[in-house]
Amino acid sequence: KNEVEQSPQNLTAQEGEFITINCSYSVGISALHWLQQHPGGGIVSLFMLSSGKKKHGRLIATINIQEKHSSLHITASHPRDSAVYICAVGGGKTSYDKVIFGPGTSLSVIP
Amino acid sequence: DGGITQSPKYLFRKEGQNVTLSCEQNLNHDAMYWYRQDPGQGLRLIYYSQIVNDFQKGDIAEGYSVSREKKESFPLTVTSAQKNPTAFYLCASSIASGASQYFGPGTRLTVL
Repeated sequence: KNEVEQSPQNLTAQEGEFITINCSYSVGISALHWLQQHPGGGIVSLFMLSSGKKKHGRLIATINIQEKHSSLHITASHPRDSAVYICAVGGGKTSYDKVIFGPGTSLSVIP
Repeated sequence: DGGITQSPKYLFRKEGQNVTLSCEQNLNHDAMYWYRQDPGQGLRLIYYSQIVNDFQKGDIAEGYSVSREKKESFPLTVTSAQKNPTAFYLCASSIASGASQYFGPGTRLTVL
């Protein structure tokens, strides 16, 4: 079993739809990251959170530490949101704050 | 503008040749990382460096080597000992270990 799992693996949505991507992890963490990787390969950090909820524009990230679960929501989705969304967890009882990456969720938003 | 640069974007090499991937940052970050990404898999850590002149092996260091002679530079050498070197390589940096990481644009290495 992977230490960080994401669902769904692939997602196709119509423009304007509300999108949810889920992340579950099995290790102790100090922070959870949501990253966005565009088709060209570049990665952008969207959120880093350790509790509660954060919002940036149309993106909302939540985390439930007790349930070891996080969700990334996209409101009013747009074709430019098409990308791979990666959940990563950091920290815990390791020699340094190792970051463990999930496999990613590939999102395609069609007009 | 501050950021991380990786060059080249695409790299082709013959089997058996060593190749060095460049990573430079002007963010004044102490920590730097090298990851490998294969289709359908999460990023895997190759090497990391928390400070100049120091680096540590990650999860898949075999067949790779690094140096950290300057704060802003963390080159990765893919040696002929790496059994399956064709992959997408990402460099990242953070102000300190555990902080948010900033990623470079990546280098796609193809070994023919």
